[in-house]
Formats: sequence, structure tokens, C-alpha cells
Amino acid sequence: NAGVTQTPKFQVLKTGQSMTLQCAQDMNHEYMSWYRQDPGMGLRLIHYSVGAGITDQGEVPNGYNVSRSTTEDFPLRLLSAAPSQTSVYFCASSSSGHGQPQHFGDGTRLSIL
Amino acid sequence: TQLLEQSPQFLSIQEGENLTVYCNSSSVFSSLQWYRQEPGEGPVLLVTVVTGGEVKKLKRLTFQFGDARKDSSLHITAAQPGDTGLYLCAGYSDSNYQLIWGAGTKLIIKP
Repeated sequence: NAGVTQTPKFQVLKTGQSMTLQCAQDMNHEYMSWYRQDPGMGLRLIHYSVGAGITDQGEVPNGYNVSRSTTEDFPLRLLSAAPSQTSVYFCASSSSGHGQPQHFGDGTRLSIL
Repeated sequence: TQLLEQSPQFLSIQEGENLTVYCNSSSVFSSLQWYRQEPGEGPVLLVTVVTGGEVKKLKRLTFQFGDARKDSSLHITAAQPGDTGLYLCAGYSDSNYQLIWGAGTKLIIKP
């Protein structure tokens, strides 16, 4: 049972580099989202999508881009990495509708030097 | 801005003790979820509460949703080392589709 798969698990970047965090789900969920988790701050929503071709900004979108060309995939792009983007990134998916449980990947631990 | 405040932020107790974690807000939520997260993994849903005053039990864990749907609590009876983890509450507001997350309670149960 794959569920939500995130790659890579770990990544170290230099300031100014760009990269894409991959997220794929095999549950045919319409709703997908990206969070960052920092100590003492819980989960903060970066971007989300309610279906293929539809994306929107969350609480902390600056410095990140997303696209949703298929139901399964929801990549997160860092355009020009900054040390403030050092964090653990989680992708989640859920069925549409209020109150649905979120299914999370195991996260990508990203360090920006 | 809707906020969910969790308390305590950190709790370290001995195996066999009881504990309660709180999740409070000034806003009303249509439903509230509790997740547990272990190191190196994503959060996993434990329970969803929907009705004001609702109580749900999951083995030694008891979850309660406040009558006014603004707060919730998680009570663990006779805690065990396997209960160790980060407990997160998250609420769906009546006005938008996004989950509002608490900052989490880090729980350590010592053998």
C-alpha cells in the first residue's frame, strides 16, 4: 500500500539553487497539499490543489511554486532556495469534502546552506 | 485569523500515569481531528470529532469535543512507552476548506 510517496527523503542545497520535491498518491484523491513543519510551529500550509489543473496559495506560499497536471502528482518547486526554507516538507492528500482525513507522506527533510 | 492553541507543548511522564492534552480556540470548528506523528514519519489520523459534546474512545485514548465546538481534549489512561510521539490537533472551519493546525504536544512516556 503506497499511499502518499515523497521523494527525496533528504536534500541539502546551497542558497540560490532550485529544486523540485516530488509527491505522488495512488488513492485517487482530489485534494492535495504541501505543508512545512518547523519546531514549535506545527504544520503550515504552502499550496494546495482541489483537483487537476487547479492550485491555490496557502498560508506561506512565497518562494514556492506548484502545478497539478494529473490527479496523482503534485510537485513543489523551490525557485531560489534560501536558508529560511530549511524545514521538513510534507505532502498530504484527501478525498474531497469537509472533514476528510489527511493522508501524509513521510516527508522531505531539506537543509539550505 | 483562526488559531488552535495546544497545551502543554511538552510532557514527559512515567509509564502508567494519566495525562490530558488540550486544544483550544476562540473560533468554532465544524469538525476537529487528532493526529499522532512519530519521528521521521508524517502525521497519522487518530480520530475525527464532529458533534459538540462528542466523546470517542480509542483503546486507552479518550477524545472529547467541546459543547460549543471551540475546544477538544485528548486523555490517555495508563500511558505506555508506545504512546510517545507528537500529538497534533487540526480543525476544519465552517468558512473555508483549509485545516487549521495546532503547534502540537510532544509526549514522552518513560518506562
